[in-house]
Amino acid sequence: AQSVTQLGSHVSVSEGALVLLRCNYSSSVPPYLFWYVQYPNQGLQLLLKYTSAATLVKGINGFEAEFKKSETSFHLTKPSAHMSDAAEYFCAVSDLIYGNKLVFGAGTILRVKS
Amino acid sequence: DTGVSQDPRHKITKRGQNVTFRCDPISEHNRLYWYRQTLGQGPEFLTYFQNEAQLEKSRLLSDRFSAERPKGSFSTLEIQRTEQGDSAMYLCASSASGGDQPQHFGDGTRLSIL
Repeated sequence: AQSVTQLGSHVSVSEGALVLLRCNYSSSVPPYLFWYVQYPNQGLQLLLKYTSAATLVKGINGFEAEFKKSETSFHLTKPSAHMSDAAEYFCAVSDLIYGNKLVFGAGTILRVKS
Repeated sequence: DTGVSQDPRHKITKRGQNVTFRCDPISEHNRLYWYRQTLGQGPEFLTYFQNEAQLEKSRLLSDRFSAERPKGSFSTLEIQRTEQGDSAMYLCASSASGGDQPQHFGDGTRLSIL
């Protein structure tokens, strides 16, 4: 069965600093991977997806993620943090056997300090 | 594309009461998913529909829960005899068919059981 581990429930960075949010996955088949962002009292917004094309995936708001099969990782990065990036971020893997349901990590709350 | 719509946004009810939530997916999406999210956790899969057929239910979905998608368009999720442990955010998502298709989420219904 697929699973996702997000290292670090809270990450704090200064405005303008590099953002790195870690995600490791477990999957018995080549995975489809997603990063979502959630602002308070809202649903999840898709940031980017990996679907077996390019291993470096660019998303919205300047975020990107790199798929590394050998490390079973899909870490999310942004070169320069903005105050508006403060939110909770979820990594997810698609379960291709059971209707493509998403299996989520526990989330990482990103705090951006001015 | 008006996005996924959920109603109500908030529901407060007494333990033992029945509640029903509605989800209107993106019109051209044939897949519809329900997830539950508790504080500090990622969303957990509950059930999904391909058109009007309910194809999978999680073990989290006890017999007090029922979901329908009668005409393959909107869906309802009903909880009977609510319990304290049902307090959570209930999220609906829709997608086109295919594992590489991202799921688009609504803003959720937050259920509070008194």
